[in-house]
Amino acid sequence: GDSVTQMEGPVTLSEEAFLTINCTYTATGYPSLFWYVQYPGEGLQLLLKATKADDKGSNKGFEATYRKETTSFHLEKGSVQVSDSAVYFCALSDRGKDTGNQFYFGTGTSLTVIP
Amino acid sequence: DSGVTQTPKHLITATGQRVTLRCSPRSGDLSVYWYQQSLDQGLQFLIQYYNGEERAKGNILERFSAQQFPDLHSELNLSSLELGDSALYFCASSGGTDNEQFFGPGTRLTVL
Repeated sequence: GDSVTQMEGPVTLSEEAFLTINCTYTATGYPSLFWYVQYPGEGLQLLLKATKADDKGSNKGFEATYRKETTSFHLEKGSVQVSDSAVYFCALSDRGKDTGNQFYFGTGTSLTVIP
Repeated sequence: DSGVTQTPKHLITATGQRVTLRCSPRSGDLSVYWYQQSLDQGLQFLIQYYNGEERAKGNILERFSAQQFPDLHSELNLSSLELGDSALYFCASSGGTDNEQFFGPGTRLTVL
């Protein structure tokens, strides 16, 4: 079945450091891939998405490229800020016929950015 | 604002009790998903409904049940509550022209 494997945390970085959070997936079809972010005390928000191979999703300085050959969707940011401290979830969705989208989430990676 | 609403925001109850959590999806979304998030278990998928019918089941306990009504809102019923059921419960919806999930703000359940 479909699944998502995400880099274990927690991750602690200094402000302005480079961030990579690894995510790989297993899917039988052609899924869409997502990164969600959860700030302390809040629900999950969509950060970025990519719907087909070689698509690059980007938002708020974060980027991730849908790599079908390596089944990966790694999240990157060139210079993190304290305000980026949050938990990041990688996810995939497969659209089923008459079933709606099936979603699979990674375990989440906690990021703390220190000044 | 994701467009997904959940009530109540907080719920405090005692062991052995039963509670109902309510979710209203975004307008036009046919799928509703329920998740449990606790400190030690991360985000756990419980159940999915699509246009009123159950479509996928995750790690949902037998003490828990859910349904989706004709107006597409959904309720999650938790019974015979235990201390370990204390968690954040999120609802999400999906559908229409978007293929991502939109999450509600969550219900924080505390079982004493």
